[in-house]
Amino acid sequence: TQLLEQSPQFLSIQEGENLTVYCNSSSVFSSLQWYRQEPGEGPVLLVTVVTGGEVKKLKRLTFQFGDARKDSSLHITAAQPGDTGLYLCAGRKGNAGKSTFGDGTTLTVKP
Amino acid sequence: EAQVTQNPRYLITVTGKKLTVTCSQNMNHEYMSWYRQDPGLGLRQIYYSMNVEVTDKGDVPEGYKVSRKEKRNFPLILESPSPNQTSLYFCASSVRQGMNTEAFFGQGTRLTVV
Repeated sequence: TQLLEQSPQFLSIQEGENLTVYCNSSSVFSSLQWYRQEPGEGPVLLVTVVTGGEVKKLKRLTFQFGDARKDSSLHITAAQPGDTGLYLCAGRKGNAGKSTFGDGTTLTVKP
Repeated sequence: EAQVTQNPRYLITVTGKKLTVTCSQNMNHEYMSWYRQDPGLGLRQIYYSMNVEVTDKGDVPEGYKVSRKEKRNFPLILESPSPNQTSLYFCASSVRQGMNTEAFFGQGTRLTVV
């Protein structure tokens, strides 16, 4: 059973469109991270959110942590082909050593 | 250059032949971790280490061993590999395992057990 559910699993859109990726759980996390992974590479951290309701922006990417700290969303405005990749969310509980990853959303942005 | 280095990048082996995947980081990070990535299952944590000589199980530790004798190295050992351990493996490190700390990932090791 996956503790973190990501949706959609696959997303293919045209350049310039907007999109939202969701990361949902029944568990409460102390923090949640979003990573982007390209083929043949390891994941690269995009953002960490720690406070319920927190919103962070990274250029055209907007990340939100749910009020109850059980879910998060990633919104991309005016997607570009360079945004293509696998987006992963990962939750942590306190300072414990365990991290739980979602199974990812594969995004393809067509020129 | 700050990095996490895994070796080998690709490995094909036979069932039961012991193997070690090395992981080394040059950032003096306390925390290191191993994951495996499988289609539809995402990244699953195998083992992690909070510091030298401190290791603990992640979500899928069966069939794996680790050691942390020095801060920079965290090898993953498969004593008797089986085909279900065919996967893409990632090592990661961070300054410490805190809520806001960034994990740096290696480039991955693609292991095939036949």
